[in-house]
Amino acid sequence: DVVMTQSPLSLPVTLGQPASISCRSSQSLVHSDGNTYLNWFQQRPGQSPRRLIYQVSYRDSGVPDRFSGSGSGTDFTLKISRVEAEDVGVYYCMQTTHWKTFGQGTKVEIK
Amino acid sequence: EMQLVESGGGLVQPGGSLRLSCAVSGFNFNNYWMSWVRQAPGKGLEWVADINEDGSEKYYVDSVKGRFTISRDNAKNSLYLQMNSLRAEDTAVYYCATDGDWRWGQGTLVTVSS
Repeated sequence: DVVMTQSPLSLPVTLGQPASISCRSSQSLVHSDGNTYLNWFQQRPGQSPRRLIYQVSYRDSGVPDRFSGSGSGTDFTLKISRVEAEDVGVYYCMQTTHWKTFGQGTKVEIK
Repeated sequence: EMQLVESGGGLVQPGGSLRLSCAVSGFNFNNYWMSWVRQAPGKGLEWVADINEDGSEKYYVDSVKGRFTISRDNAKNSLYLQMNSLRAEDTAVYYCATDGDWRWGQGTLVTVSS
């Protein structure tokens, strides 16, 4: 099974400052079709998860452009360019190249 | 508007059974693989099961194989999860989601306790 490891697990941030979350997989997420199926989800308190990013770097419709995804192979990053109050929540990476596995989650909170 | 609405959760004793349902609307259900994902209280997300568009392919996480069965009724735009031999560690909010573009329902809570 592919293990997804996120860091940090807790991320206190100052409003208006950038934030970065790392996600590493135990094996390459490059699919045989050449695509890399790495997603990022946001789960605000009391809400269902919402996908932000798919295939490493493509933003879903309606996702603010302060969110960006990057990476390749086994190392991936979600960046928030300027954190806003509504960004508080838990962020999960999820791979769907080799079935489906989630990272442990990173809790983003305001300092 | 795409909507997914889960139901069927509740309190059940260890060893008992529950059947979860997910009613969908606002999209062509027949064209989607569907998934069940769960989240234990205060914990992270865990994929549970998948089913393809016509129900001929089904996949499960190891911890539920032989106990849970995913199914669908395309005529009723509905997804199901039959859960048997329930254990305390199955306690979670269960979400249905579209596989691919990952739209989620609001979830239904399953509590396994005596």
